[in-house]
Amino acid sequence: AQKVTQAQTEISVVEKEDVTLDCVYETRDTTYYLFWYKQPPSGELVFLIRRNSFDEQNEISGRYSWNFQKSTSSFNFTITASQVVDSAVYFCALSEAQYGGATNKLIFGTGTLLAVQP
Amino acid sequence: ETGVTQSPTHLIKTRGQQVTLRCSSQSGHNTVSWYQQALGQGPQFIFQYYREEENGRGNFPPRFSGLQFPNYSSELNVNALELDDSALYLCASSLRTSGTDTQYFGPGTRLTVL
Repeated sequence: AQKVTQAQTEISVVEKEDVTLDCVYETRDTTYYLFWYKQPPSGELVFLIRRNSFDEQNEISGRYSWNFQKSTSSFNFTITASQVVDSAVYFCALSEAQYGGATNKLIFGTGTLLAVQP
Repeated sequence: ETGVTQSPTHLIKTRGQQVTLRCSSQSGHNTVSWYQQALGQGPQFIFQYYREEENGRGNFPPRFSGLQFPNYSSELNVNALELDDSALYLCASSLRTSGTDTQYFGPGTRLTVL
C-alpha cells in the first residue's frame, strides 16, 4: 500500500531562518512520482514540484530546494531564508505511474503547518 | 492562478439533504479529480473522471457521485448528507499523459453539514 508520512505537524521559525520539511513515503512500485503542494489559508493547493522515481537529482528553485533519496524513501523540502509569505500548510504527495488508463490519484501526507514569524 | 475554479465558495446544508458542487477545469485538461479534505488532514481521493467517464474511485460510498462535461466543467454530487461530510472539497484538473499527470487544484468549496 502507498503511504506518505509527514511527521512534523507544526514548525515555527523566525524570518530568514532556513527550514526543512520532512517527507517519508512507502510504495511497492518501482516507478512513482512525488509532489509538494503549498496550501495557504485561502485553501487552494499550489503545485510546487514533481519528481519521478528515476531522477534523484536535487532540485533548486530560488529559495526552495528538494532532496530526494530513494535509499531512505525521503523527499525533503528546504526553504532558505524563510519569509512571512511562506507561512502555509505544505503537503507531500505520492502517485504511481499510470499505464493503460489506470487511475492517477494522489496520496497525501497529513501536512506540515509552517509559521514564519516576522 | 491555476485556471481551475470552483463554486460555491461556501455552503451550509442540513443532514439528509443533497448538494452539488461545481468545478471548471483548465482549458484543454481532459481529467478531473475530486478530493475531500477534513480539517487538519490531507486531501483524500474521492474519484477521477477522464473523458467524461469515471476512471477510479477512492474509499467513498456510492452517495458520492460525479459528472464531467465536454466543456471542461464537472460536478460532485453528494446525497443523504451526513455530519462527517463537512469538509473542504477540492477539484483538480490535469492533462492525461503517459507516466502521471500533474494535478492543478481549484480553491475548494467549504461544505458545512448541520
